[in-house]
Amino acid sequence: GQNIDQPTEMTATEGAIVQINCTYQTSGFNGLFWYQQHAGEAPTFLSYNVLDGLEEKGRFSSFLSRSKGYSYLLLKELQMKDSASYLCAVRDGDYKLSFGAGTTVTVRA
Amino acid sequence: DAEITQSPRHKITETGRQVTLACHQTWNHNNMFWYRQDLGHGLRLIHYSYGVHDTNKGEVSDGYSVSRSNTEDLPLTLESAASSQTSVYFCASSESEGSGTDTQYFGPGTRLTVL
Repeated sequence: GQNIDQPTEMTATEGAIVQINCTYQTSGFNGLFWYQQHAGEAPTFLSYNVLDGLEEKGRFSSFLSRSKGYSYLLLKELQMKDSASYLCAVRDGDYKLSFGAGTTVTVRA
Repeated sequence: DAEITQSPRHKITETGRQVTLACHQTWNHNNMFWYRQDLGHGLRLIHYSYGVHDTNKGEVSDGYSVSRSNTEDLPLTLESAASSQTSVYFCASSESEGSGTDTQYFGPGTRLTVL
């Protein structure tokens, strides 16, 4: 089976940095995805890692360590619009994904 | 623009009734997926398809069925709705690149209430 863990909630101040951790134990590994989901909306793709290291995309960065079964999503220069749930998902072999329960990030003024 | 749509967006039904949720995508993607999302559980895979006439069970498939008669559509049927199936249902699609991101694109969701 798949086991993907991430914190339930995080709170941070506008302009700050927040790091959302994700640990996984899966039967296989073929890539890790991060999605953003605003309340009442569909998830939207943020980032993808398949090799160890850091991928940077503007204010968002994602890191992967396959040997440790660990990833994090880094959100810099937080804005109020970043208040959302962030979903970690692992592709274990073919094309389907297994998702963690999601981390709700609240950005305070 | 290519897109993925779901209908209806909201549905209230009674226990024991058959319900079908529609999913239509215009990306010409081979892969399509159905998930349910409940508080505390995240997205859980119900069924998926990798092409016409191909269907596979996900982790929570009991009580659900799908069929894939063309590339664009993957309807989800609840054969006899139960209160435990009250949830938000998302459809998604992705390309079969074999490499790269194979990003899944999600529809807007259907909120289903079973009374």
